[in-house]
Amino acid sequence: DAKTTQPPSMDCAEGRAANLPCNHSTISGNEYVYWYRQIHSQGPQYIIHGLKNNETNEMASLIITEDRKSSTLILPHATLRDTAVYYCIARNDYKLSFGAGTTVTVRA
Amino acid sequence: KAGVTQTPRYLIKTRGQQVTLSCSPISGHRSVSWYQQTPGQGLQFLFEYFSETQRNKGNFPGRFSGRQFSNSRSEMNVSTLELGDSALYLCASSLERHTEAFFGQGTRLTVV
Repeated sequence: DAKTTQPPSMDCAEGRAANLPCNHSTISGNEYVYWYRQIHSQGPQYIIHGLKNNETNEMASLIITEDRKSSTLILPHATLRDTAVYYCIARNDYKLSFGAGTTVTVRA
Repeated sequence: KAGVTQTPRYLIKTRGQQVTLSCSPISGHRSVSWYQQTPGQGLQFLFEYFSETQRNKGNFPGRFSGRQFSNSRSEMNVSTLELGDSALYLCASSLERHTEAFFGQGTRLTVV
């Protein structure tokens, strides 16, 4: 799996959009971008994934640049319950290779 | 639809003992993977099972093993426990091998 780079931490205000960046400059053509989050001591929660088109579901939107070297996860209206570690993963096979992720803290 | 169920949630074992953890995947899911999470190493892939066969294994010693049953339920076993095996063990299931994986809440193993 391609290596991904994420900022170690970020804060955002409750009710505002949270934009989480991820760099995957070595991603290959068949690698999907996956996002998971993990709330303290719970199992990781699947958020969204995409290959090259932007994707949206009930939780978030995923914006992938045209050259696929970076992406942004958007939480449209962050709540306190969105406080978690967010993992960006470039996946092309059976396993998920988790990095350190971004610790997102939503503040009231 | 029920999620991935892992049992037990918490376990305390003594060094040298062995332990078996259980994972029931989401109904209809055929692929089950196991991960170990520790503060020092983060989330690391242990192994993947599909159609009752171990397809891939991560970089863990032979003390770590597993199996998958015909109903896709999976177990993992750790023999001769060491203090360093203390971790959160997570199971993930997916419909097929390359589709999105959904995790259980994990089993917290403490080795004393």
